[in-house]
Amino acid sequence: KQEVTQIPAALSVPEGENLVLNCSFTDSAIYNLQWFRQDPGKGLTSLLLIQSSQREQTSGRLNASLDKSSGRSTLYIAASQPGDSATYLCAVLSNDYKLSFGAGTTVTVRA
Amino acid sequence: GAGVSQSPSNKVTEKGKDVELRCDPISGHTALYWYRQSLGQGLEFLIYFQGNSAPDKSGLPSDRFSAERTGGSVSTLTIQRTQQEDSAVYLCASSYVAQETQYFGPGTRLLVL
Repeated sequence: KQEVTQIPAALSVPEGENLVLNCSFTDSAIYNLQWFRQDPGKGLTSLLLIQSSQREQTSGRLNASLDKSSGRSTLYIAASQPGDSATYLCAVLSNDYKLSFGAGTTVTVRA
Repeated sequence: GAGVSQSPSNKVTEKGKDVELRCDPISGHTALYWYRQSLGQGLEFLIYFQGNSAPDKSGLPSDRFSAERTGGSVSTLTIQRTQQEDSAVYLCASSYVAQETQYFGPGTRLLVL
């Protein structure tokens, strides 16, 4: 069974600092890894998807890396803003098409 | 274009009653997924549809839970004889094909009294 772990569980930084969110998974037989954002009381918004053959993906201030062999992914958010405050979820799609989620990292960016 | 929509957005029911939750995927998306998000439990996979068929139903928590998808589009998740532990947010997602990005709906918040 795929287990996904996210560290840290919570993070508070002043505006302008870079954010580093970590995700690890136990089974490297994956199709892809996806990072989501969830605002309180809302659904999930897809941020980045990295295919298993890729090493990283970038979108604006966001960059995600994937090291499939070691079962790790890192999401970097550059120059954080208060609007980046949310819970960030990492999810891996296994070969049986099940998406397994981590518990999330709750980010607070202080103005 | 329109995203994934779910209805109702909120549902309060009494223990023992049946409930139906509806999901309208993004037009043209062949894959549809149901998840449950409970306090302290994180996001849990329930079931996945490719077209109208569900190759894997192993994520459904009990035989009180069932789901169907008709016409390769709308899906309904039915919970029979609801229990208090069924209280959660039920999220639906769709993707163009199974390996692609999943887009989530806003969820249905179910409260069983």
